[in-house]
Amino acid sequence: DAKTTQPPSMDCAEGRAANLPCNHSTISGNEYVYWYRQIHSQGPQYIIHGLKNNETNEMASLIITEDRKSSTLILPHATLRDTAVYYCIVRVPQGAQKLVFGQGTRLTINP
Amino acid sequence: EAGVVQSPRYKIIEKKQPVAFWCNPISGHNTLYWYLQNLGQGPELLIRYENEEAVDDSQLPKDRFSAERLKGVDSTLKIQPAELGDSAVYLCASSLGGGRAGAKNIQYFGAGTRLSVL
Repeated sequence: DAKTTQPPSMDCAEGRAANLPCNHSTISGNEYVYWYRQIHSQGPQYIIHGLKNNETNEMASLIITEDRKSSTLILPHATLRDTAVYYCIVRVPQGAQKLVFGQGTRLTINP
Repeated sequence: EAGVVQSPRYKIIEKKQPVAFWCNPISGHNTLYWYLQNLGQGPELLIRYENEEAVDDSQLPKDRFSAERLKGVDSTLKIQPAELGDSAVYLCASSLGGGRAGAKNIQYFGAGTRLSVL
C-alpha cells in the first residue's frame, strides 16, 4: 500500500470549513483513498473514500487531484465534535486487507 | 443496528498475569480484525480472520498472544503472560469481507479495550 503524508496537527474555528490535506505521491492506479477519524477514547470511524472523482457524503467531501498524488478532506461546517485525529489511508479495494494507519492529523476545532 | 462490541472497556492487571479481550462483530460480517494501538500512534494489525480461519497473523507475537474465533462470530484475544510493554488499546474491527463489497469493504471498529499492565 502507498504511503501517505499528513500534517501532524491543524486548528480550525467552529463553523468554518476544515480542509485536511494528504499527500500520496506513490499511489497506484488501482488504489483508493480512504479517510477515517478517531475521536478521543473511541475506535476509528470511516468517513469517506474515493478513486479519482470527487466524492461527497453526509459527513464530508473528498477532493482528489487530477494526478491523484494528493487529496483534501473537507468538513464544510466544523463543530466541536469534529475534534479528532484524521487518518488518510491508501489501499487497494480487493479483498479484506488490513488498514495501514500513519500518524494522522490531529484536528482541533476551537469555539 | 449494533456496532462492534468489545469488552471490557478497561483492564488493569499486574505483569505476568493473563488477560483476555472479547469482541462481537457486526452481524453478517465475515472478516474480523484485531488491532493494537500504542499511545500517540495509529492502530496496527495483529490478526485477521476470514470466518473462523486466521488468514493473516504475521504481526501477532505468538509466544504470548493467542486468538480464536470459534464458530466464525465472536472472537477472543488473549495475552499470557502480560508484560509492561503490552499496555495499549486493543481494537476489534469487522467488515463484510472478501471481494463481495469491493471498494466499499469498510472496516467498522469497536471502542477498544484499554489495557494497563502494572
